[in-house]
Amino acid sequence: DADVTQTPRNRITKTGKRIMLECSQTKGHDRMYWYRQDPGLGLRLIYYSFDVKDINKGEISDGYSVSRQAQAKFSLSLESAIPNQTALYFCATSDWGNPTDTQYFGPGTRLTVL
Amino acid sequence: EDKVVQSPLSLVVHEGDTVTLNCSYEVTNFRSLLWYKQEKKAPTFLFMLTSSGIEKKSGRLSSILDKKELFSILNITATQTGDSAVYLCAGPGSARQLTFGSGTQLTVLP
Repeated sequence: DADVTQTPRNRITKTGKRIMLECSQTKGHDRMYWYRQDPGLGLRLIYYSFDVKDINKGEISDGYSVSRQAQAKFSLSLESAIPNQTALYFCATSDWGNPTDTQYFGPGTRLTVL
Repeated sequence: EDKVVQSPLSLVVHEGDTVTLNCSYEVTNFRSLLWYKQEKKAPTFLFMLTSSGIEKKSGRLSSILDKKELFSILNITATQTGDSAVYLCAGPGSARQLTFGSGTQLTVLP
């Protein structure tokens, strides 16, 4: 079984709709992250959470919100989706104190906003 | 502001060629620099570099860091079509979140 899972894997929605992307992990990591990836722009950080009570904005948080429901679950919401939020979204986890700073990625969610 | 810049943005080679991918960075409170390979799915970890001048190797891939020049390279020798992917470089900056470069798209032709 995958250590980091994302649902849904693909989603097509319309402008103005509310969308939630979910991420679950079985790695027991404290830290979780949401990124979006656009062609030519690499991975950009949307939000990150270092534990259940800690939520931090990343470089492109406008238009997004998150919820850390439990150590293993971190969801990303688009309150009112717009076409320029069409992208590939990745959830990732890392282990506090792990000196490698390695992050482990989920399989991604491809979101299309029409 | 943390910054990671990769070059070239894309590269097309033939099987058997050797390639060098570049990554320059400006990251506050530098701890390490990481390389990832991304095929048509999530990025997978390749290397973590923390010390200057010490080469990390994994099969045909190798990487080295120059902390004075704020630079890292990823070498792939005897390339194969399976090496075709986007290669991402990332540096942990403030609060230990990763800042990624835009990636190098490598295409290896048979």
